[in-house]
Amino acid sequence: QSVLTQPPSVSAAPGEKVTISCSGSSSNIGNNYVSWYQYLPGTAPKLLIYDNNVRPSGILDRFSGSKSGTSATLGITGLQTGDEADYYCATWDTSLSAVVFGGGTKLTVL
Amino acid sequence: EVQLVESGGGSVQPGGSLRLSCAASGFTFSNTWMHWVRQAPGKGLMWVARIKGDGSSTNYVDSVKGRFTISRDNAKNTVYLQMNSLRAEDTAVYYCGKDLHIAAASHWGQGTLVTVSS
Repeated sequence: QSVLTQPPSVSAAPGEKVTISCSGSSSNIGNNYVSWYQYLPGTAPKLLIYDNNVRPSGILDRFSGSKSGTSATLGITGLQTGDEADYYCATWDTSLSAVVFGGGTKLTVL
Repeated sequence: EVQLVESGGGSVQPGGSLRLSCAASGFTFSNTWMHWVRQAPGKGLMWVARIKGDGSSTNYVDSVKGRFTISRDNAKNTVYLQMNSLRAEDTAVYYCGKDLHIAAASHWGQGTLVTVSS
């Protein structure tokens, strides 16, 4: 059972937009920055968003992040088949003194 | 160019030990927090531990506290994960990551597989 709650799966058609939610509490998302990762099993995780809404160098503006209260959202526009992957949110949990990940969301581009 | 290369994975019996290494290059290692995360078969990513640049501060996920120890040698630009009292549920691909900001790691290694089985 993950500290952060994500939907197990989302799907959309090529070219469309999708959002992935991440719900937490005041001990994690509510008072700390959120990051988002793209992950394909067996490969290195890829950082998409940090500090709630900042894209690292090289990440396209098709990816966006936002945070409100104890929830965060990753948005992906102009979906491509190459975006099919697992997506994870992460943040610091002040009560646990640990980094916590969401359970992951599998994106399918139909 | 930032590079992280993990090594030390392998097969071990329950109760055994392994030490993972992560050799880093391309950035000022001694100023940078480093992380270990893992992915067990069929499961999601799980953060394992982190260590401050000078080695003075560490944090662990509850499930490995008392069994795993993260350390570093800044002279060798290497971070380690000593894993003792290994359990079947520790079976996973382990990745080391370069911290960018708190829960964000901007670069990751290719991973090393740890299998705990009798």
